[in-house]
Amino acid sequence: DAGITQSPRHKVTETGTPVTLRCHQTENHRYMYWYRQDPGHGLRLIHYSYGVKDTDKGEVSDGYSVSRSKTEDFLLTLESATSSQTSVYFCATAGQGRFIGAEETQYFGPGTRLLVL
Amino acid sequence: GESVGLHLPTLSVQEGDNSIINCAYSNSASDYFIWYKQESGKGPQFIIDIRSNMDKRQGQRVTVLLNKTVKHLSLQIAATQPGDSAVYFCAEIVGGSNYKLTFGKGTLLTVNP
Repeated sequence: DAGITQSPRHKVTETGTPVTLRCHQTENHRYMYWYRQDPGHGLRLIHYSYGVKDTDKGEVSDGYSVSRSKTEDFLLTLESATSSQTSVYFCATAGQGRFIGAEETQYFGPGTRLLVL
Repeated sequence: GESVGLHLPTLSVQEGDNSIINCAYSNSASDYFIWYKQESGKGPQFIIDIRSNMDKRQGQRVTVLLNKTVKHLSLQIAATQPGDSAVYFCAEIVGGSNYKLTFGKGTLLTVNP
């Protein structure tokens, strides 16, 4: 299994509060990604990182920010949570490593279920 | 924008049969394709990949076929088992895109005992 963990695994919060999700990897992968998964929409890219302190927006970045201060950690922040951000959030990583897939292959964490009331 | 799509949202097969899951893509610049399996409550799991300079690639009980002429990708699972029940996604990468994936919405495979 890929060495990717996400915390928390489950979270319930109220509208208007800030929320930070953490992704931690032990694979020394250069690339990291945050997705959300919703019924009928599949996986959609929120933000991604192509190196420490190098990040860029994905297709659904509004209302989210990210930070990556070291290789192993990628943080996703919901600045002021809204009910539309209720979703399952997945982190993924890619890069040279020990897995059978190519360098481009993304490996996923177990996900965080977020409920915004 | 261009995206990867799936022909069948659901597929039901009998245990022991072979399964075929199809995927269409529209971006001719895509040069790498991946199939993922996602079980309920879990993250997507890598199954097999194929580059655009290949037509076929085999793994353990799985085969991926790529037809660039019609921009079609398929995943074949041999001797399907109950543990194969899951949602299967195809995904594509365009070279030089920081390895960003474009996903289809998925096909739900149900294996009946």
